[in-house]
Amino acid sequence: AQSVTQLGSHVSVSEGALVLLRCNYSSSVPPYLFWYVQYPNQGLQLLLKYTSAATLVKGINGFEAEFKKSETSFHLTKPSAHMSDAAEYFCAVSGSGGSYIPTFGRGTSLIVHP
Amino acid sequence: ETGVTQSPTHLIKTRGQQVTLRCSSQSGHNTVSWYQQALGQGPQFIFQYYREEENGRGNFPPRFSGLQFPNYSSELNVNALELDDSALYLCASSQDRGSYEQYFGPGTRLTVT
Repeated sequence: AQSVTQLGSHVSVSEGALVLLRCNYSSSVPPYLFWYVQYPNQGLQLLLKYTSAATLVKGINGFEAEFKKSETSFHLTKPSAHMSDAAEYFCAVSGSGGSYIPTFGRGTSLIVHP
Repeated sequence: ETGVTQSPTHLIKTRGQQVTLRCSSQSGHNTVSWYQQALGQGPQFIFQYYREEENGRGNFPPRFSGLQFPNYSSELNVNALELDDSALYLCASSQDRGSYEQYFGPGTRLTVT
């Protein structure tokens, strides 16, 4: 079985501040981990993915995430928030039971204040 | 390269009715997955189609059914609509059933009244 917990349904930051969105996973096998972003009235766009290569993964729009097996975490960070980063962010895990179907977290809404 | 497209964008149906949602996969992709995203929730896997055959199903009742066509486009059909079926329905295509990378369409917003 696999699952994802995203801590905090809403995260509010000021423009230019550090963004940290938390994700903890549960998986019976080495996981594949993903972060997706969803803008209002749009589908999901892949930000970055971890597939057992480098533990620090860089994605689009300046985001990165670090896989920490000991903490079963895959937190998403960005050094400096832009207003355009305001969106819903989803963490997802796949790989358990040989399945490539991702299990998504409930999402974290990122709010960026000017 | 054409991305994943879905139609219609929005749909309003009455409880008990039936609905069909459509998805065109990205060029070169033979696998389509469907997800239901209720308000304030993450996407929930409904089922996946690979080369016109169902290739996995989530915890959804049989009134949720699907098809995949020879050109790899797909339909999601929902019978006997319930109020709780109101959600954003997302289609995602991938290059193969063994591919972990999925490309999502913009979704169809279904409202059941």
